[in-house]
Amino acid sequence: TQLLEQSPQFLSIQEGENLTVYCNSSSVFSSLQWYRQEPGEGPVLLVTVVTGGEVKKLKRLTFQFGDARKDSSLHITAAQPGDTGLYLCAGAPEADSNYQLIWGAGTKLIIKP
Amino acid sequence: KAGVTQTPRYLIKTRGQQVTLSCSPISGHRSVSWYQQTPGQGLQFLFEYFSETQRNKGNFPGRFSGRQFSNSRSEMNVSTLELGDSALYLCASSLVGTSGYEQYFGPGTRLTVT
Repeated sequence: TQLLEQSPQFLSIQEGENLTVYCNSSSVFSSLQWYRQEPGEGPVLLVTVVTGGEVKKLKRLTFQFGDARKDSSLHITAAQPGDTGLYLCAGAPEADSNYQLIWGAGTKLIIKP
Repeated sequence: KAGVTQTPRYLIKTRGQQVTLSCSPISGHRSVSWYQQTPGQGLQFLFEYFSETQRNKGNFPGRFSGRQFSNSRSEMNVSTLELGDSALYLCASSLVGTSGYEQYFGPGTRLTVT
């Protein structure tokens, strides 16, 4: 069974602090995506990383794909209340041609003003 | 380009009834996936349809079924509803094969079973 483990499951911090969310697996992924979901809405795609070691930046958010393409991280600098939400990672297994994503359980992030 | 739409947004049903949810994907997207999301279980994959064929199926009982029409619109049906079926049901469309596995989600249908 392929698993994608996210940590931490829950994070509550003050506005202005930095944080990192991790997504780890023993499987190799051809690509990995990060989504953010707000209450009562569907997840919204933030970024896709496809190359080992790749780093992508989206304003204050920095996404990194591990060299071996088994893990990824999301770093938020100077978090703001608008960053509050559920962050989900999802990977496309390299060995699976069925086009089915493997999902992490999510990190619930609360940024307090 | 219009996003993924789901109807209805909210639904209240009684145990034992059945329900049909609808999803219209982004124009040009041929893959539609359905997910169940609950606070305790996270995002659980139900099934995926591609060109009117079920291509993948998650680990859900046969009470959960779906179909896709020639215009890529999809419906999912849950029969003999149970209290545990209360959840947010999400539909996602994708251009699998072209842009990879990126999924574009609708706002979801909040189903409450009483």
